[in-house]
Amino acid sequence: GEDVEQSLFLSVREGDSSVINCTYTDSSSTYLYWYKQEPGAGLQLLTYIFSNMDMKQDQRLTVLLNKKDKHLSLRIADTQTGDSAIYFCADLDSSYKLIFGSGTRLLVRP
Amino acid sequence: DTGVSQDPRHKITKRGQNVTFRCDPISEHNRLYWYRQTLGQGPEFLTYFQNEAQLEKSRLLSDRFSAERPKGSFSTLEIQRTEQGDSAMYLCASSFPISSGEPTDTQYFGPGTRLTVL
Repeated sequence: GEDVEQSLFLSVREGDSSVINCTYTDSSSTYLYWYKQEPGAGLQLLTYIFSNMDMKQDQRLTVLLNKKDKHLSLRIADTQTGDSAIYFCADLDSSYKLIFGSGTRLLVRP
Repeated sequence: DTGVSQDPRHKITKRGQNVTFRCDPISEHNRLYWYRQTLGQGPEFLTYFQNEAQLEKSRLLSDRFSAERPKGSFSTLEIQRTEQGDSAMYLCASSFPISSGEPTDTQYFGPGTRLTVL
């Protein structure tokens, strides 16, 4: 089946940029999503990118997609302590279900 | 629009008992999904409905699991004869395939039901 992989942990200083990376295997992917999960909570949709786009910017968030390498990244500018959470990359497969990575835990140090 | 709601938020049960969870999707969303998330992992797909029809079930959904969406609105997920391995967060999401300026099938998640089987 399709697979999505992410690095497990990222630590940054408050005010710096964070870059979270993701790779996927689905050749027929149409949309890719980023979700944020805080402890004990559900998933909050952050942003998405269509597979024929290279980049999408949404306020402090920038998504970059390299379709050839099947690599997706999420950049958070001016990272704040409130951004500390787990970030999930997800691929919408051809039968409308989301395939998630294991999540990247972002820790923002004051 | 109040978002996706789930009830209960937490459930503790003894092994062998039956449990039932409820999900209320965003109104007018006609697709509803169930996912399961274990500690340290991303959510895994269990099943989904379009209106009242259950269109796909994962192999993770053993015979002890059953989901319904009788009137195409709320959904229930029942686990019979619970096992300790069923301990997880059960997440519900909803979407609607007709575009309203968003990608089709952008899924919005509820807060989840955390199940602990003792």
